[in-house]
Amino acid sequence: DQQVKQNSPSLSVQEGRISILNCDYTNSMFDYFLWYKKYPAEGPTFLISISSIKDKNEDGRFTVFLNKSAKHLSLHIVPSQPGDSAVYFCGGNQGGKLIFGQGTELSVKP
Amino acid sequence: SQTIHQWPATLVQPVGSPLSLECTVEGTSNPNLYWYRQAAGRGLQLLFYSVGIGQISSEVPQNLSASRPQDRQFILSSKKLLLSDSGFYLCAWGVPAGVYNEQFFGPGTRLTVL
Repeated sequence: DQQVKQNSPSLSVQEGRISILNCDYTNSMFDYFLWYKKYPAEGPTFLISISSIKDKNEDGRFTVFLNKSAKHLSLHIVPSQPGDSAVYFCGGNQGGKLIFGQGTELSVKP
Repeated sequence: SQTIHQWPATLVQPVGSPLSLECTVEGTSNPNLYWYRQAAGRGLQLLFYSVGIGQISSEVPQNLSASRPQDRQFILSSKKLLLSDSGFYLCAWGVPAGVYNEQFFGPGTRLTVL
C-alpha cells in the first residue's frame, strides 16, 4: 500500500520557467506534508512544508499547494534555476513518521 | 547547532556477511531517530524509527534490525546480508512532537552487497 505517490519519475524544464512537481496521497491522517530535495550521494534537505489545514504555503521561489478533497499536492518553483536540478521527495507526516513518495528527478536546462 | 553523522560513507560487503551502520546525533537531546533506505530507482522507504533508548519500531519486514543503545546513537544491523539489501541508507533525526516533524538527514551510506 503506497500512501504517497509521485507518478512522474522525471521532469525537464527550461531555466526561468515554472517547475510543477506533483504528489498524491491516500492517508487522510497526514497532518503535515513536507518536500525534500536530494542531490546524488547526499542526504535529503528540507525544502518547504504545509499543514493539512492550509491550502498554500509560499517561501521565496517555492510554493506548495494542497487540495485535500483531491488528496493532491504540488510544488511550484518559479523561476526554475539550474541549481534546482535534483530529486524531489514529497512526504506525509503522521505521528512523527514521514512516508515518502518515490521522488521526481527535476532537470533544469540552461 | 545540531549535526548528524553516519559512517561509513560507502561499504561493499559479500552476501551472507554481517552489517553494522552507525548514526550519531549531536546538539540535541531525546531526538526521534529514523533509518531509511533508498534502493535503486525507488523512493525513500522508512525502515525503523525510535522515540527513545531501547524503543524501536519496525516499518517493514526485512533482513535488518536496529538498536538504540544511547540517546543519540542509532545502529542498523544485519546478521547475514542479502543482495536485495543493497541501497543508500539514510539516518535522520527529528524533534519529538515538533511543529511539523521536520526531519534532518545524515549524509548516507552507500551499501553494495555482492
